[in-house]
Amino acid sequence: AQTVTQSQPEMSVQEAETVTLSCTYDTSESDYYLFWYKQPPSRQMILVIRQEAYKQQNATENRFSVNFQKAAKSFSLKISDSQLGDAAMYFCALNTGTASKLTFGTGTRLQVTL
Amino acid sequence: GAGVSQTPSNKVTEKGKYVELRCDPISGHTALYWYRQSLGQGPEFLIYFQGTGAADDSGLPNDRFFAVRPEGSVSTLKIQRTERGDSAVYLCASSFSNGPYNEQFFGPGTRLTVL
Repeated sequence: AQTVTQSQPEMSVQEAETVTLSCTYDTSESDYYLFWYKQPPSRQMILVIRQEAYKQQNATENRFSVNFQKAAKSFSLKISDSQLGDAAMYFCALNTGTASKLTFGTGTRLQVTL
Repeated sequence: GAGVSQTPSNKVTEKGKYVELRCDPISGHTALYWYRQSLGQGPEFLIYFQGTGAADDSGLPNDRFFAVRPEGSVSTLKIQRTERGDSAVYLCASSFSNGPYNEQFFGPGTRLTVL
C-alpha cells in the first residue's frame, strides 16, 4: 500500500517571499511518480508540478520547484516569489507503476499575506 | 478545449435516497477516475475506467456505490440508499491514457450533502 503524509496543516508566507511545503511518502514500488496539486476554493485540482522517481534532477516549473530526496522518501515543494494567487490547498500525491490511481496526502493550506 | 465537467455542482438529498452524479471527461481521454474528498481530507480513489470497463474498483466503499461508462466517454456514479457518511465532494478526473505518468485533469466536483 502507498501512503502520503503532509505534516503541515497550514502555512503562511508573505507576498514575494519563499515557502516550502513538506511531503513524505511510502511505497514498495521502484517505479512511481510524485505530484503536487493545487486546489483553490473553486475545488478544481490543478497540477502544479510532477517528478518521475527515476530522474535524479529536481523538477522545476517557473516559480515552483521540488526537492526530491528518494532515499528519505521526501518530496517538498518550494514556491518562490509568492503571489496572492498562490493561496490555496496544496496536495502531494503519489502514483505507482502498478496502478493508475493517485494517493493523496491530507493537504496543506497556504495563506499568502501582504 | 473544454475541461472536465461535473453535474450537478451541488446535490442535497435525504438519507435513504438514490443519487446519480455525472462526469463529462475531456474529449479523447480514455481513462476516467472517480475520487471522494471528505472535509479536511485529500481525495480518495474510488474507481478507474479504461474505455468502457472498470479497470480498478477497489476504492468503492461498499455495494451501494456503482459507476458506469457505457460508451467510453461520460460516466455516472450511482449511490443507493444514501447515508449521512456519504456526504463529501465527489471529484472526477480524466487522462489521455492510463499509466501513472499521465496527468489527470480534474473537474470541479459535486458536493453531495445527505441530510
